[in-house]
Amino acid sequence: EPEVTQTPSHQVTQMGQEVILRCVPISNHLYFYWYRQILGQKVEFLVSFYNNEISEKSEIFDDQFSVERPDGSNFTLKIRSTKLEDSAMYFCASSFTSGADTQYFGPGTRLTVL
Amino acid sequence: AQTVTQSQPEMSVQEAETVTLSCTYDTSESDYYLFWYKQPPSRQMILVIRQEAYKQQNATENRFSVNFQKAAKSFSLKISDSQLGDAAMYFCARDQGGSEKLVFGKGTKLTVNP
Repeated sequence: EPEVTQTPSHQVTQMGQEVILRCVPISNHLYFYWYRQILGQKVEFLVSFYNNEISEKSEIFDDQFSVERPDGSNFTLKIRSTKLEDSAMYFCASSFTSGADTQYFGPGTRLTVL
Repeated sequence: AQTVTQSQPEMSVQEAETVTLSCTYDTSESDYYLFWYKQPPSRQMILVIRQEAYKQQNATENRFSVNFQKAAKSFSLKISDSQLGDAAMYFCARDQGGSEKLVFGKGTKLTVNP
């Protein structure tokens, strides 16, 4: 069964550094998402992406964040200058259509900012 | 913002017995979708079951079934014949009308005792 993959599984970085989290969505899916889960808290939506542009973003997704689909298969989340509070599990998800269609999640990247 | 509430932070069940996890939500829409996701210790979220609000029949997937009470805005998950592999965090989620994001509850940690 097709699945969403994410790399790396764990990323440790120093505060102020840039990180890029990578995702490979399911191949025939058209909608892509990033969610964040701070340890012990609920999963929060960050951004959705369709047709090579952001279709929706949350208030968390400020100017420090950006997303890109550089080559038709990868979907990346970049954090330009990491802060301590960016430490979280970041989940990529994809779906064939938007809205009510089932979103399939990747295994996540644990980001630790020191 | 529309919310999803899971009132049980933790639940436990004996192997082979039945357990019910609670979820309530708020909404002003008549048509929407509800989801239960399972997040095992490996941390990849897996879709357990999906319910369309316009369908009166409760969704069922093998040992997993829901009790969907639309008027009460309640969407509980019943796990029958619990197995050790059912131990995980369970998240209730709903789509948000006019949006592509999922809104999650805080989760219920399920322990299965042998």
